[in-house]
Amino acid sequence: DAGVTQSPTHLIKTRGQQVTLRCSPISGHKSVSWYQQVLGQGPQFIFQYYEKEERGRGNFPDRFSARQFPNYSSELNVNALLLGDSALYLCASSLSVGNTEAFFGQGTRLTVV
Amino acid sequence: DAKTTQPPSMDCAEGRAANLPCNHSTISGNEYVYWYRQIHSQGPQYIIHGLKNNETNEMASLIITEDRKSSTLILPHATLRDTAVYYCIVSGTSYGKLTFGQGTILTVHP
Repeated sequence: DAGVTQSPTHLIKTRGQQVTLRCSPISGHKSVSWYQQVLGQGPQFIFQYYEKEERGRGNFPDRFSARQFPNYSSELNVNALLLGDSALYLCASSLSVGNTEAFFGQGTRLTVV
Repeated sequence: DAKTTQPPSMDCAEGRAANLPCNHSTISGNEYVYWYRQIHSQGPQYIIHGLKNNETNEMASLIITEDRKSSTLILPHATLRDTAVYYCIVSGTSYGKLTFGQGTILTVHP
């Protein structure tokens, strides 16, 4: 079975631009969460979506948004990119909303220049 | 979620047991203890979780003290591939938020 897949794997953007990151969860998993991992730190929770609805949000500005599609895949959008948004963005899928046995993808490495 | 405290780094000889401690003195009754690990340049990997009883799976064992204020992750026969950052997480949210700290860098050497 395929694991969690994220695309693209690497991305370089310019300050002020917008970016969209994509995630496909494990088949049968209905919950997708997004995390940001800055170099040298642990992942920080951004969002969780379940059944296309936002179920949890971390302490991130409104420039960060996400959505989940009927097939449970998800997109993370970041507007007006700042240098500090450079990070590894991780997607995790789980069976249900309260299930913290999460399966992570390999991440998208975003570099803002 | 309760805060956790882990040593920043640990070493272990290949083939020996690796015992990784975690303090979570403010844990509440409905919060679980989760362990994840992250090998360099990869996404975190779920290892094990528990509420109050000791747990064992094919990867590791989790020992939780009776007062639940601390726990130990045991890798019974560490290999070089177990070199990673190990995160102890306490979670009881109604949704799947995981609060990662700095973790313990475990280095397994030959």
